[in-house]
Amino acid sequence: GDSVTQMEGPVTLSEEAFLTINCTYTATGYPSLFWYVQYPGEGLQLLLKATKADDKGSNKGFEATYRKETTSFHLEKGSVQVSDSAVYFCALSETSYDKVIFGPGTSLSVIP
Amino acid sequence: AAGVIQSPRHLIKEKRETATLKCYPIPRHDTVYWYQQGPGQDPQFLISFYEKMQSDKGSIPDRFSAQQFSDYHSELNMSSLELGDSALYFCASSNPAGATREQYFGPGTRLTVT
Repeated sequence: GDSVTQMEGPVTLSEEAFLTINCTYTATGYPSLFWYVQYPGEGLQLLLKATKADDKGSNKGFEATYRKETTSFHLEKGSVQVSDSAVYFCALSETSYDKVIFGPGTSLSVIP
Repeated sequence: AAGVIQSPRHLIKEKRETATLKCYPIPRHDTVYWYQQGPGQDPQFLISFYEKMQSDKGSIPDRFSAQQFSDYHSELNMSSLELGDSALYFCASSNPAGATREQYFGPGTRLTVT
């Protein structure tokens, strides 16, 4: 079945450091790919998405490119802030009617 | 913009009790999904409804049932609660006919079973 794998956390970075969180997926079709963020004690927020190969999703300085050839959707940010501390989930959805399948999540802590 | 509404936001129940969680989707969204997120876990899909019919089923215990009503809101009924049911329960809604396949998540209901 479909699945999402992402790098294990927790990840601790200094403020203004470069962030990469690796994500790879397994799917039978051509899924849409997502990054969700969950701040402590809060719900899920969609951070960015990409719906087809080579699409780049971007939001709040975060970027991820849908790479079909490597089945990857790595999340990057050039300069992290303390306020970026959260858990980041890579996810996919096969079709309009399908459930979202989440990766295990990567906890990010940014220290001043 | 209107978002997905879930109620209650917090719920405390004792073992063997029942609980009902409610979800009100974004207007004109006809599909509702339920997810369960245990402590330190990723959200797991439970069940979904499209046009008031069950459309998919995940790892939902037999003690749980759900339905979608004519106004598209949905309720998740949980009986014989166990300590392991303590989790954050998310509802999401979507409009599959829309341009994107995006599900919009509600804020979640935090259920604590004591």
